[in-house]
Amino acid sequence: EDQVTQSPEALRLQEGESSSLNCSYTVSGLRGLFWYRQDPGKGPEFLFTLYSAGEEKEKERLKATLTKKESFLHITAPKPEDSATYLCAVNTDKLIFGTGTRLQVFP
Amino acid sequence: DAGVTQSPTHLIKTRGQQVTLRCSPKSGHDTVSWYQQALGQGPQFIFQYYEEEERQRGNFPDRFSGHQFPNYSSELNVNALLLGDSALYLCASSTIGGSGNTIYFGEGSWLTVV
Repeated sequence: EDQVTQSPEALRLQEGESSSLNCSYTVSGLRGLFWYRQDPGKGPEFLFTLYSAGEEKEKERLKATLTKKESFLHITAPKPEDSATYLCAVNTDKLIFGTGTRLQVFP
Repeated sequence: DAGVTQSPTHLIKTRGQQVTLRCSPKSGHDTVSWYQQALGQGPQFIFQYYEEEERQRGNFPDRFSGHQFPNYSSELNVNALLLGDSALYLCASSTIGGSGNTIYFGEGSWLTVV
């Protein structure tokens, strides 16, 4: 059965304290792994798509990496405005989501 | 270029009633998918529409139905509402054959069933 697991469920960071979020997956027929940011009460905002093991993508303080079994979202020197829930999803012609990591960054 | 637009943004319905939610995909996209997101959970796939046909469906009962129009916009209908249908309903747009495409979401429609 296709499955996506994200960890940790919640993460509290001091401003400037770098960390990583994990997304592990078991899926057949992967057609891409997506990362989204979701603010409370809003729809998911697209961040990255990764297609093959070894691929990396960066956007401002975020960098996403992909292996054959997991993806990491690295956040470098986070700011309070990075506080949000980060969702990982695998595309098998539909998106299968994890439950997300709630990130809080304190000044 | 407008992104994915959904309406209404919020609505309250009574158990047993019916609701219709609407979605206009991003310009250039021809495929619309609907997701249900309960509080504290990731979105769950309901179904996908392409060329006005339901292309695939998730594990949702027949009370959930949809439609796609020639202009690619879509509706989600839920009949005989239950309290458990209270959730954020998200519309996603993409192009078919989507391994090389980005999937964008709208801001969602918050449905509360009382």
